[in-house]
Amino acid sequence: AQKVTQAQTEISVVEKEDVTLDCVYETRDTTYYLFWYKQPPSGELVFLIRRNSFDEQNEISGRYSWNFQKSTSSFNFTITASQVVDSAVYFCALKGGSQGNLIFGKGTKLSVKP
Amino acid sequence: GAGVSQTPSNKVTEKGKYVELRCDPISGHTALYWYRQSLGQGPEFLIYFQGTGAADDSGLPNDRFFAVRPEGSVSTLKIQRTERGDSAVYLCASSWVGGNTEAFFGQGTRLTVV
Repeated sequence: AQKVTQAQTEISVVEKEDVTLDCVYETRDTTYYLFWYKQPPSGELVFLIRRNSFDEQNEISGRYSWNFQKSTSSFNFTITASQVVDSAVYFCALKGGSQGNLIFGKGTKLSVKP
Repeated sequence: GAGVSQTPSNKVTEKGKYVELRCDPISGHTALYWYRQSLGQGPEFLIYFQGTGAADDSGLPNDRFFAVRPEGSVSTLKIQRTERGDSAVYLCASSWVGGNTEAFFGQGTRLTVV
C-alpha cells in the first residue's frame, strides 16, 4: 500500500526562523515520485517541488531546500528565513510508478508570525 | 485558460438532490484528476482520466458518484442523492501524462449538503 505520513500537524515559528517539515512515505514501487504542495488560505494547491526515486540529489532553490533520503523513506522540506507569506498548509505527496494519481499526507499547517 | 478552472466555486444543495461539478483543465493536458478534501485533511483521490477514458476510478466512494470527460477536455463530476457526508471541497487537477509531471490544481468547489 502507498502511504504518506506528515507527523507534524501544526508548526508555529517567528519570522526569519528556519523551519523543516517532515514527510515519511511507504511504497513498494521501485520507481516513484515525491512532491510538495503548498495550500495558502485561498485554497488552491500550488506545486513546489518533485523528486524521482532514482534522484537523491538534494536541492536548494532560493529559501527552499529538500532532503530526500531513500534509506529512511523521508522527503523533508526546509524553509530558510521564513516569512509571513509562507503561512499555509504544506502537503507531501507520492505517486507510484504505475499510478497516475497522487497520494497525499494530511498536511502540516505552518504559521509564521511577524 | 491559463489555469484549471472549476465551477461553481460554491454549491449548497439539499440532501437527496443531484449535483454536477465542472472542471476545465489546462489546455492540452491529457490527464485529469478529481480529489475530495475534507476539513483538516489532505486531498483524497477519486478518479483519474487519461483522455476521455477513466484510467482509475478506484477512489469513488460509491455508485452515487460518477464522472465523465466526453471530449477529453472538460470533465463533470456528478453526485446523485447527495448526503450530508458528501460535504467537502472537490478539487480538480490536470497534467501531462507521465509519472514525472506535476499536477496543477483548480481552486475547488465547496459543496455543502444541508
